[in-house]
Amino acid sequence: DQQVKQNSPSLSVQEGRISILNCDYTNSMFDYFLWYKKYPAEGPTFLISISSIKDKNEDGRFTVFLNKSAKHLSLHIVPSQPGDSAVYFCAATIQGAQKLVFGQGTRLTINP
Amino acid sequence: DAGVTQSPTHLIKTRGQQVTLRCSPKSGHDTVSWYQQALGQGPQFIFQYYEEEERQRGNFPDRFSGHQFPNYSSELNVNALLLGDSALYLCASSFGWARSNQPQHFGDGTRLSIL
Repeated sequence: DQQVKQNSPSLSVQEGRISILNCDYTNSMFDYFLWYKKYPAEGPTFLISISSIKDKNEDGRFTVFLNKSAKHLSLHIVPSQPGDSAVYFCAATIQGAQKLVFGQGTRLTINP
Repeated sequence: DAGVTQSPTHLIKTRGQQVTLRCSPKSGHDTVSWYQQALGQGPQFIFQYYEEEERQRGNFPDRFSGHQFPNYSSELNVNALLLGDSALYLCASSFGWARSNQPQHFGDGTRLSIL
């Protein structure tokens, strides 16, 4: 039972353009969502999060949007840079539980 | 400010053996969670420790056990290793079990290979 899904295994974007990574979830109890970035041979690095009481959260070049009715969230990276090339995981949890449920990941490649 | 550290980095074992993986949380953190990441998949939650007790457990058999020490460091033990246990094992730490909106911080993992 895959409660968090990232349906695009890979995404290729031109440097300077916008990267949009998508994530869908099925468990309506989830109320806190996170995005992590992972380079090879390193652990996931926390990027940005959003609580279900919000529909948008920004941090520099990164913005996360949450559509609760559609059970969908997305991560926007503007402008995309070569260093953004990595695998991106979305994760969800019930606040306080701290048990993260991850998607399968999307490999983002930024082309010069 | 040291982040989450895990040891060893790589480990090779054979079927039926037992293994112990170690984790030191980020400074100031008191809650440790363990995840298993198979190739091409997202991390899967194994269990979580706080105040030296297992607080939550994912869908993993009893062959997977753990421990948390008074200094908040933690061990993951796996008995009777199977080929399917080959994976990257990630440790994550955070502050305050059951506190809202606390992102977990991950170590670089231990790559376990079963022959």
